[in-house]
Amino acid sequence: QQKVQQSPESLIVPEGGMASLNCTSSDRNVDYFWWYRQHSGKSPKMLMSIFSNGEKEEGRFTVHLNKASLHTSLHIRDSQPSDSALYLCAGTEGADRLTFGKGTQLIIQP
Amino acid sequence: GPKVLQIPSHQIIDMGQMVTLNCDPVSNHLYFYWYKQILGQQMEFLVNFYNGKVMEKSKLFKDQFSVERPDGSYFTLKIQPTALEDSAVYFCASSLAAGGSQNTLYFGAGTRLSVL
Repeated sequence: QQKVQQSPESLIVPEGGMASLNCTSSDRNVDYFWWYRQHSGKSPKMLMSIFSNGEKEEGRFTVHLNKASLHTSLHIRDSQPSDSALYLCAGTEGADRLTFGKGTQLIIQP
Repeated sequence: GPKVLQIPSHQIIDMGQMVTLNCDPVSNHLYFYWYKQILGQQMEFLVNFYNGKVMEKSKLFKDQFSVERPDGSYFTLKIQPTALEDSAVYFCASSLAAGGSQNTLYFGAGTRLSVL
């Protein structure tokens, strides 16, 4: 069973719209969450991380975390074609390594 | 930002041969990782390495795999012998610390390994 589950698998959003991506851990030991973005043929790059309950905003990107349900979500407002990429959610348990989900393929349609 | 360099970018090899993938981590980072990704699919953890030792390895890290980082040189992943199912993109990553908020992984551009 996947420790980190992401939904949806793929998402099409019109340019200027809001994209919402979800991620849940099935392992209660996971205590930190990370969002990485991977453009086609490139390496993943860390977008945002969140460790405390609540919300964190950086520019057009907002991350939420509910530690009780081990659910995090990433929201991208005013989506741009350059936001089209594979979005990977990852969790860590303490000093352990990152475990990635399968990702959400986001396509922003001009 | 911090850069992780991987050499080569693409390696084509016959099944059964040995291959070594090279990684030059971020200079002050202490933790090193290898991940495997097949055709834009899930990024799967292989192994992490600290202070000259493997800390943890996944079930994908077969007996044919080994890692090392001799002083002052590359962090390497060696596969000997290679198998068809080893074809994938291998990403090296490094981090300043393990665990918590210092655990941001910086990835290299990947080495695409094609086993024929």
